[in-house]
Amino acid sequence: AQSVAQPEDQVNVAEGNPLTVKCTYSVSGNPYLFWYVQYPNRGLQFLLKYITGDNLVKGSYGFEAEFNKSQTSFHLKKPSALVSDSALYFCAVRDRRGNNRLAFGKGNQVVVIP
Amino acid sequence: SAVISQKPSRDICQRGTSLTIQCQVDSQVTMMFWYRQQPGQSLTLIATANQGSEATYESGFVIDKFPISRPNLTFSTLTVSNMSPEDSSIYLCSALTGTSVNEQYFGPGTRLTVT
Repeated sequence: AQSVAQPEDQVNVAEGNPLTVKCTYSVSGNPYLFWYVQYPNRGLQFLLKYITGDNLVKGSYGFEAEFNKSQTSFHLKKPSALVSDSALYFCAVRDRRGNNRLAFGKGNQVVVIP
Repeated sequence: SAVISQKPSRDICQRGTSLTIQCQVDSQVTMMFWYRQQPGQSLTLIATANQGSEATYESGFVIDKFPISRPNLTFSTLTVSNMSPEDSSIYLCSALTGTSVNEQYFGPGTRLTVT
């Protein structure tokens, strides 16, 4: 079964500094990888995904993520964080050979300090 | 893309009662799912809602407690039966359009409090 680990509970970063949210995954086959963001009292919003091809994928709101097969990682990054980026971020994985189930990590609370 | 709405957005219910949550998608989708998000925790898949047949439940979730219907390609309901305070959670409807390479879309959630 697929699983995701997001090792940190909370990520604090000063506004304007680079933001990184870590994610590692485990699947039996090759993965489809996703990042979602959840703002208070709202549903999940899709940020970006890795399906195939270039290991660096770019998404919404200036976010990007790098797929690293050898390290089974898919870390989310943003070069310059904004206060409005403060939210809960979820990494998710789907096994290509699986049953369309999407497994989520526990989530990381990102706090951008003005 | 798909826009998903849920009703109600929140409710406070008494122990032992049942609540039905409705999920409406603005376009036909391949698959629909129901998740639970307990306070401060991640999303846990309850079941896959299958059109015209019984839902497929994940380990730890049973039909008697969480009956699900999906009468067509755009609508589904989740009932939380015989509620207890442990059922207090956010319940999220989700939909997948096309194939597994696609991202899933999520509704805004239903915040349930059981007293």
